[in-house]
Amino acid sequence: AQSVTQLGSHVSVSEGALVLLRCNYSSSVPPYLFWYVQYPNQGLQLLLKYTTGATLVKGINGFEAEFKKSETSFHLTKPSAHMSDAAEYFCAVRRSEGGTSYGKLTFGQGTILTVHP
Amino acid sequence: DTEVTQTPKHLVMGMTNKKSLKCEQHMGHRAMYWYKQKAKKPPELMFVYSYEKLSINESVPSRFSPECPNSSLLNLHLHALQPEDSALYLCASSQHPGQGAGETQYFGPGTRLLVL
Repeated sequence: AQSVTQLGSHVSVSEGALVLLRCNYSSSVPPYLFWYVQYPNQGLQLLLKYTTGATLVKGINGFEAEFKKSETSFHLTKPSAHMSDAAEYFCAVRRSEGGTSYGKLTFGQGTILTVHP
Repeated sequence: DTEVTQTPKHLVMGMTNKKSLKCEQHMGHRAMYWYKQKAKKPPELMFVYSYEKLSINESVPSRFSPECPNSSLLNLHLHALQPEDSALYLCASSQHPGQGAGETQYFGPGTRLLVL
């Protein structure tokens, strides 16, 4: 079985400050990891993903995430927050090998990011 | 182009109505998904179609009936819904169902459903 825990259901930062959204996962096989963003009344947009290779992954809108196997983490960061970053962020994990849940995404509970001037 | 389209954007229906949600993608993807998302919650998988065949049904009540007429189109037929079925219904697609290191699901904007 696999699971995702996002620490902090709400994160508030000032414009220009560092954004750090935490994600820890549990998986019995090597995982594929994803971050999605959801703006109000919209669908989910892929920010970035980790599959294999380089553990530091760069995504859209200046976001990046680092896969740390020893810590089972995949935290999302952005050096300088912008007002337009205010949204809900979901971390998700998928199995990389076969099994009954092969191909299924498991989402974390989400983190709402607020950016204030 | 990674666009998944969904219609309608909003839908209000009574508990005795029959309605359908539509999802379309033209990326050549062979896997399509329906998710249900309640407010302040993550999406919950409902159905997965793989090469136009239903491969996963997450124990969804029979009042939800999916259909995949072709590789580009996915429908969700609704009948005799309950108020608790009110939610955002998201469609997604991916190139192949669960295969490959880069397998990524692309989501549509969703249909906001209200059952009265």
